[in-house]
Amino acid sequence: DTAVSQTPKYLVTQMGNDKSIKCEQNLGHDTMYWYKQDSKKFLKIMFSYNNKELIINETVPNRFSPKSPDKAHLNLHINSLELGDSAVYFCASTLGGLETQYFGPGTRLLVL
Amino acid sequence: AQTVTQSQPEMSVQEAETVTLSCTYDTSESNYYLFWYKQPPSRQMILVIRQEAYKQQNATENRFSVNFQKAAKSFSLKISDSQLGDTAMYFCAFMTLFSGNTPLVFGKGTRLSVIA
Repeated sequence: DTAVSQTPKYLVTQMGNDKSIKCEQNLGHDTMYWYKQDSKKFLKIMFSYNNKELIINETVPNRFSPKSPDKAHLNLHINSLELGDSAVYFCASTLGGLETQYFGPGTRLLVL
Repeated sequence: AQTVTQSQPEMSVQEAETVTLSCTYDTSESNYYLFWYKQPPSRQMILVIRQEAYKQQNATENRFSVNFQKAAKSFSLKISDSQLGDTAMYFCAFMTLFSGNTPLVFGKGTRLSVIA
C-alpha cells in the first residue's frame, strides 16, 4: 500500500501549456504540503493545506494554484508553464502539522 | 527565519566504515524537531531519523545515530557499518513547533558515496 502517491511520476511538456499534478495520501493525515526541488537538489516549501484550508503560501508565482478537494488529496495546477518550472515536485503529509512528514515519490517536470 | 547548513556537499566512505555528516541550524525557537532524510537515486525522500529538541538523549535507528548538541545548534548523523545501499543524498531538516502546519526547512544536502 502506497502511503503518499503522486501522479504522474514524469511530465514532459511545452512552454505555455497548463498541467496538473495529483497527490493522494491514505495515512489519515490532515495536513499536506507541496515542495519544489530545483536542479541543485534544494528543497523548498511552496504550499501547505490543513483540513482543505490553505495555511502556507510561500512566494510562488500565481500561475501555481493548489487545490484540496478533501483531506486526502492535494493537487497542484500550473498555468502557462515556463522553462524555470522544470523541477521535481514533492507532496508530503503529516498529522496535525506537528509530526513527521511523509513524502510522495516526486513528480519530475520538464518544460521544453 | 530558521536556516539549516550542511557544510559538506560531498563525502565518500568505504563499505563497512563509519561516516559522520554535519548539520548546523539557526533558530530562536526552543521547541522543534530535527530530521535526517535520505534521497537515493530513486528520488524518494525517506525518513532516516528524528530528534525532538526537548529530549537530551540522542536518537538512534539501527546503524544510524545522531549527535545533537542543542547549545551549539549542531545535529550530525553518524552511519555505522556503511553499506552500498546507503549511497544517497542526505538532507538535514528543521521544523519548529511554535505553531501548527509548519513546513520543513532543509539544508542543501550532502551527497554520500559508499565505495566497495
